[in-house]
Amino acid sequence: KNEVEQSPQNLTAQEGEFITINCSYSVGISALHWLQQHPGGGIVSLFMLSSGKKKHGRLIATINIQEKHSSLHITASHPRDSAVYICAVPNFGNEKLTFGTGTRLTIIP
Amino acid sequence: DSGVTQTPKHLITATGQRVTLRCSPRSGDLSVYWYQQSLDQGLQFLIQYYNGEERAKGNILERFSAQQFPDLHSELNLSSLELGDSALYFCASSSWGRAGGNEKLFFGSGTQLSVL
Repeated sequence: KNEVEQSPQNLTAQEGEFITINCSYSVGISALHWLQQHPGGGIVSLFMLSSGKKKHGRLIATINIQEKHSSLHITASHPRDSAVYICAVPNFGNEKLTFGTGTRLTIIP
Repeated sequence: DSGVTQTPKHLITATGQRVTLRCSPRSGDLSVYWYQQSLDQGLQFLIQYYNGEERAKGNILERFSAQQFPDLHSELNLSSLELGDSALYFCASSSWGRAGGNEKLFFGSGTQLSVL
């Protein structure tokens, strides 16, 4: 089973700061998911990536397959970015996902 | 709006009871996944169905079962409920298995189950 570690567990930052959340996993994978869970509980898939970098608005996700590591960056952070960010990796193909414990991000105005 | 519909949003029931959670996937998606999120275990994969067939199984208890119907909606049945089954249950769908699908997951809003 793939072990997934996220850091930090909690992160509080001022509005406008550059945010980095890290995810490490133990077994080689074909793709990695970054999810955002809003305070109300809903989950949104932000990225699915298998190599390199993906960008969507102020969000950037990178992955280094050799080092088994991925990062999620948020530029010009805003209070509405406050949420729990979760990375997830497959155990077999893309069917069974193992989830990290999440990073709780709070952006203060 | 993810396009995935889950009902009900909230469910309160007693120990020993049985409940059914329902999920309608995004239009065109053949794969449906069920996940459980509890305070102590975090998010866990339960089961995946693809076009009506069970495709992968995770940490799903024997008291729990699921199925996917010909119209592709899925139901998760939880029986002999225990206090520890209280959790948020999510379903998600993806284009997994479909040629050209990018396999990104689309989540429903979840069903909050409280077992009293």
